[in-house]
Amino acid sequence: DGGITQSPKYLFRKEGQNVTLSCEQNLNHDAMYWYRQDPGQGLRLIYYSQIVNDFQKGDIAEGYSVSREKKESFPLTVTSAQKNPTAFYLCASNLGGYGSYNEQFFGPGTRLTVL
Amino acid sequence: QQPVQSPQAVILREGEDAVINCSSSKALYSVHWYRQKHGEAPVFLMILLKGGEQKGHEKISASFNEKKQQSSLYLTASQLSYSGTYFCGTLGTDKLIFGTGTRLQVFP
Repeated sequence: DGGITQSPKYLFRKEGQNVTLSCEQNLNHDAMYWYRQDPGQGLRLIYYSQIVNDFQKGDIAEGYSVSREKKESFPLTVTSAQKNPTAFYLCASNLGGYGSYNEQFFGPGTRLTVL
Repeated sequence: QQPVQSPQAVILREGEDAVINCSSSKALYSVHWYRQKHGEAPVFLMILLKGGEQKGHEKISASFNEKKQQSSLYLTASQLSYSGTYFCGTLGTDKLIFGTGTRLQVFP
């Protein structure tokens, strides 16, 4: 079955540590996205990538970094510079293309808690 | 720039109807609608395109008023499974911008 996988589902981190969240898709989608969601809040865009080896900052990129070395993979690193990283992180993908009208598919999410 | 949704929350009894609105300060070319259940990922409901074409696959309807820069989602004869938070998404240059969200709760 085609889809998006995120791992791990739950992640605990000590303050001051970097942590990397995995996102893999086998939908052959060009575009991939990372969102952050805080309790009772909407989806805020962290980073996105329309093609391999290229990515752009979203609305809240500070304290995060990404890479897009392969079409199917878009890992997100939460660095120690992110002051309040506890949140639900969602990865998404779609066929892409500027002005894309295609639906976005979401992964199951990773819940990150900083201790 | 973020679309504004109204109302923020809705409480329904099974079988009742609801309307969720999504308003944008910018011209709309397409509007996406998603539903998210608690602790889960958002799930696509439908896309509305400028010119009236609608793409979707659930028994929930929507309208798209280009002049008012607004879209409305209509849930008729609501079921318990309709509970969740609904998000609209408007298309920016190369990404979706999600709305503020509307929390819908359906009770028996």
